[in-house]
Amino acid sequence: GENVEQHPSTLSVQEGDSAVIKCTYSDSASNYFPWYKQELGKGPQLIIDIRSNVGEKKDQRIAVTLNKTAKHFSLHITETQPEDSAVYFCAASLTSGGSYIPTFGRGTSLIVHP
Amino acid sequence: SAVISQKPSRDICQRGTSLTIQCQVDSQVTMMFWYRQQPGQSLTLIATANQGSEATYESGFVIDKFPISRPNLTFSTLTVSNMSPEDSSIYLCSVSGVAGELFFGEGSRLTVL
Repeated sequence: GENVEQHPSTLSVQEGDSAVIKCTYSDSASNYFPWYKQELGKGPQLIIDIRSNVGEKKDQRIAVTLNKTAKHFSLHITETQPEDSAVYFCAASLTSGGSYIPTFGRGTSLIVHP
Repeated sequence: SAVISQKPSRDICQRGTSLTIQCQVDSQVTMMFWYRQQPGQSLTLIATANQGSEATYESGFVIDKFPISRPNLTFSTLTVSNMSPEDSSIYLCSVSGVAGELFFGEGSRLTVL
């Protein structure tokens, strides 16, 4: 089955700095790579995703890159703000036939210091 | 998108008792998923609940411990039976969007004493 490794487990940055979280996956058939943000006391929420036919996707201050050859994808957050502090999870899955069971990384706790 | 409501949001329970968590979705969905998130850990799929059929459990989870009901296309329950302190976790209900993304409820935070 799929295996997703996520690093680092904790990331501490100063407000305004950039943050990068990296994930690797094992199953070359995986074609969908979402990122979720979980704030304290809440459920995870999708913030950005990328499919295997795209190398990069941006949405304001966040971007995701995908290297299919190396089987890794990364989340980039620029100009970090204290409200970016949360746990971030990457995931990988194969979306086909109407089924969707993602494998999640172990999460990265991002702390943005004012 | 989907709006998912879970009850209870948190509870403190005694060892040996059972707790039922309810999940209500604001639209009809084929599959609902139940996840467990142990303190400081990632998301582990417990089971997939389809309306009108028995839930499909992942390795390490059994129906006797985590019975699931799915009476209609907008509602599901997960029961945590004969609880022990090791069952202290966040339990999350989730549904899949048309693009393959997941929508989660706010979670039910369970502490077993």
